[in-house]
Amino acid sequence: DQQVKQNSPSLSVQEGRISILNCDYTNSMFDYFLWYKKYPAEGPTFLISISSIKDKNEDGRFTVFLNKSAKHLSLHIVPSQPGDSAVYFCAANFGNEKLTFGTGTRLTIIP
Amino acid sequence: GAGVSQSPRYKVAKRGQDVALRCDPISGHVSLFWYQQALGQGPEFLTYFQNEAQLDKSGLPSDRFFAERPEGSVSTLKIQRTQQEDSAVYLCASSSWTGNVEAFFGQGTRLTVV
Repeated sequence: DQQVKQNSPSLSVQEGRISILNCDYTNSMFDYFLWYKKYPAEGPTFLISISSIKDKNEDGRFTVFLNKSAKHLSLHIVPSQPGDSAVYFCAANFGNEKLTFGTGTRLTIIP
Repeated sequence: GAGVSQSPRYKVAKRGQDVALRCDPISGHVSLFWYQQALGQGPEFLTYFQNEAQLDKSGLPSDRFFAERPEGSVSTLKIQRTQQEDSAVYLCASSSWTGNVEAFFGQGTRLTVV
């Protein structure tokens, strides 16, 4: 039972344009959401997070939006840069320390 | 070092062999996590330590998997009698305080069971 879903395995975006990565979840108990970025042969790196009491969190070029009623969150990267090419994982948490991850979306930025 | 360090980076084991995977968390980090990442999947939670106490081992797939953190720093994940389905990347992560889920991950150990 996949509680966190990333339905797009891959996404290609032109450099300078906006990248939008999507994530859906099924467990309404989740109250904290995170995005991790992973380069090949490296561990995931924390990118940005959002609490369920907010609907938007911004950090530089990265913005995460949360729609609790739709159980959906998205990560916006603008403008996209070649160094953003990586696999992005959405993760969720409730009341404890463990994270439930999605299967990831491979983002390719085209120069 | 400044980050989470895992060793070995790669391990090939014959089916039935026992393996031990090591994790050196960031110095002073209280929380330590182990995750298993199968090919094409996201990381899946295995177990969690707060200092030396193993507070959650609900994700360990069988009693062949055992983790310890005896002095509250370095941790070892042991897999006994390895099977082909154990082939995966094993990721260790640490965080500085209890309840902080924004953990720092190591590079992982890729285990291949042949």
